[in-house]
Amino acid sequence: DADVTQTPRNRITKTGKRIMLECSQTKGHDRMYWYRQDPGLGLRLIYYSFDVKDINKGEISDGYSVSRQAQAKFSLSLESAIPNQTALYFCATSDFRLAGGYVTQYFGPGTRLTVL
Amino acid sequence: DAKTTQPNSMESNEEEPVHLPCNHSTISGTDYIHWYRQLPSQGPEYVIHGLTSNVNNRMASLAIAEDRKSSTLILHRATLRDAAVYYCILRPLPSSEETSGSRLTFGEGTQLTVNP
Repeated sequence: DADVTQTPRNRITKTGKRIMLECSQTKGHDRMYWYRQDPGLGLRLIYYSFDVKDINKGEISDGYSVSRQAQAKFSLSLESAIPNQTALYFCATSDFRLAGGYVTQYFGPGTRLTVL
Repeated sequence: DAKTTQPNSMESNEEEPVHLPCNHSTISGTDYIHWYRQLPSQGPEYVIHGLTSNVNNRMASLAIAEDRKSSTLILHRATLRDAAVYYCILRPLPSSEETSGSRLTFGEGTQLTVNP
């Protein structure tokens, strides 16, 4: 089974609809992230969470909200979807380490969202 | 975060070595060099990281210039499954007071094509 799962994998919706993308992880990591990927723009961070009580905005949080329901679950919501939110969305997790100086992130398979 | 520069695309033949370059002339002394790759229709995955010394793991080798202003990811024998976008990312050593969430800043990376 995958360590980081995302549901749904594909979603087509209409402008103005509320959409929730869900992410679950079995790695036991405290940190979770939501990114979006657009052609020519790479991956951009939307929100990140250090633990259940700690939520932080990333570089492009406008139009999005998140909920960290448990250590293993981190959901991304689009309250009123618009066409320029059409993108590939990735959830990621990481384990905070000082030793070794690196923090590997583990990504889910992505959700392809289309807003018409 | 310090900026990295990578070629947009590279091509290789199967079973031949591939050298993927990355320039990071503004790297600071505490920045680690990370490489991730993204296979088609998948989320990014960690490949390798290093600080000053060359590094080897089961996936690849990382050669770091003596002045650390550039690095090269080396795939010793490319396979068709290595066709992906490769990202070179700089990250400072995480600290206990870090508030950035250890997020990764992805550029556009290098699209590697492997010919049979």
